[in-house]
Formats: sequence, C-alpha cells, structure tokens
Amino acid sequence: KNQVEQSPQSLIILEGKNCTLQCNYTVSPFSNLRWYKQDTGRGPVSLTIMTFSENTKSNGRYTATLDADTKQSSLHITASQLSDSASYICVVTRGWKNNNAGNMLTFGGGTRLMVKP
Amino acid sequence: DSGVTQTPKHLITATGQRVTLRCSPRSGDLSVYWYQQSLDQGLQFLIQYYNGEERAKGNILERFSAQQFPDLHSELNLSSLELGDSALYFCASSLGQYLTNTEAFFGQGTRLTVV
Repeated sequence: KNQVEQSPQSLIILEGKNCTLQCNYTVSPFSNLRWYKQDTGRGPVSLTIMTFSENTKSNGRYTATLDADTKQSSLHITASQLSDSASYICVVTRGWKNNNAGNMLTFGGGTRLMVKP
Repeated sequence: DSGVTQTPKHLITATGQRVTLRCSPRSGDLSVYWYQQSLDQGLQFLIQYYNGEERAKGNILERFSAQQFPDLHSELNLSSLELGDSALYFCASSLGQYLTNTEAFFGQGTRLTVV
C-alpha cells in the first residue's frame, strides 16, 4: 500500500532551537518528495521538492534530505522562529504506470510544530 | 498568496443538503485538483481536471461531483451531505497535467460544516 508516515506527530521547541522532522514512505513508483508548511486553517505552501537523484535541498532555514534507498526524508529547521509554528507535511508523488497514477500526491499526516518564546 | 482562489471560505449547512464549492486556478494553470482534509487527517485526493477534462480520480464519493469550465475555474458539488462530510476542502492548481515535474499551488480552502 502506498503510504507516507511522519514522526513525531507533534513537537514543541523553544524559539531559536533547531529541530528535525522525519518522513518514511512506501510509495511506488517514486517520482518526487515534497515538504509543505500548513498554517492552521490555511492551504499548504511548498517548501522543497526533491527528485530521486537529489539528496538535499535548502530553502532558507529549511533543509530537506532524501535517502531514496531507505525511503526516508527529513526536514531540518534551523534557528526556529515563532512563525514556524505550523503543520509540516511530507508528500510523495507517484510516477505513472498509467495516466491516473501520475497525478497522485500521497500526503503524510503531518507533524504539528509549536515554537514557544 | 498562492494565486488560487476558493469561495466561500466557510459554509455551514444541514444534512441532506447540496453545496457547491468554487475554485479559480492561478493564471495560466490548466490543472485543478480537489482535496479533502478531515479533522486531524491528511489531505485526501478527490479528483483532477486538466483543461476541462477529468484526468484522475481518487477517493471521491458518488455523492460528490466536479467539473471544470472553459474559463478553467472548477466547481465541486457535494450532495446528500452527511455529518462526516464536514472538512476542509482544498483546491490546487498546476501548469501541467502531471505532478511528477510541476509545482502544485493550494488555495486557502473552504471549511464545510454539516450540522
């Protein structure tokens, strides 16, 4: 079954600290992996997108890694800010075997991050 | 601002009723996707339209239907509503028809409450 599992489910850290969020997937065939930030009640906003050949990608204080062999990804947030409080969602895109499959984003359940002053 | 516009932002309706959610994609995007996010659940893909035609279908109930109009805006119709249909409904758009090599931009969502 195509699944994306994220850990931890929730995390509380102090402002200025670093944190790492984990994502494991069993989606096949794999096309790319995305990390989204979703503020409460808002739409997801893309942070990074990585293909099979990319091991790491940064977007400001956000750095995503991908190990396609172990099917694991992580999102590292450096020097956290109060505005980083949100849900972070790992999303895997399936490569297509037929036209339908090519359009499927499989979403993880998200990690709810709270940054406290 | 992603450029994807969804209306209304909030909707409260009774069981058994029918509602229509509207989505305007980013300028130039040809694909529209609909997703459902129930409380504390991940986003579930419902359906995709590309340039007016249905391209992919996910876990969409028979009570739900969608269409994309010539001006590329899309509508999601939900009928015979049940309490369990209460959720956030997101629309996303992309330039191409496959998400294997293109970005998807999400709207702010419509929060549907069925009472």
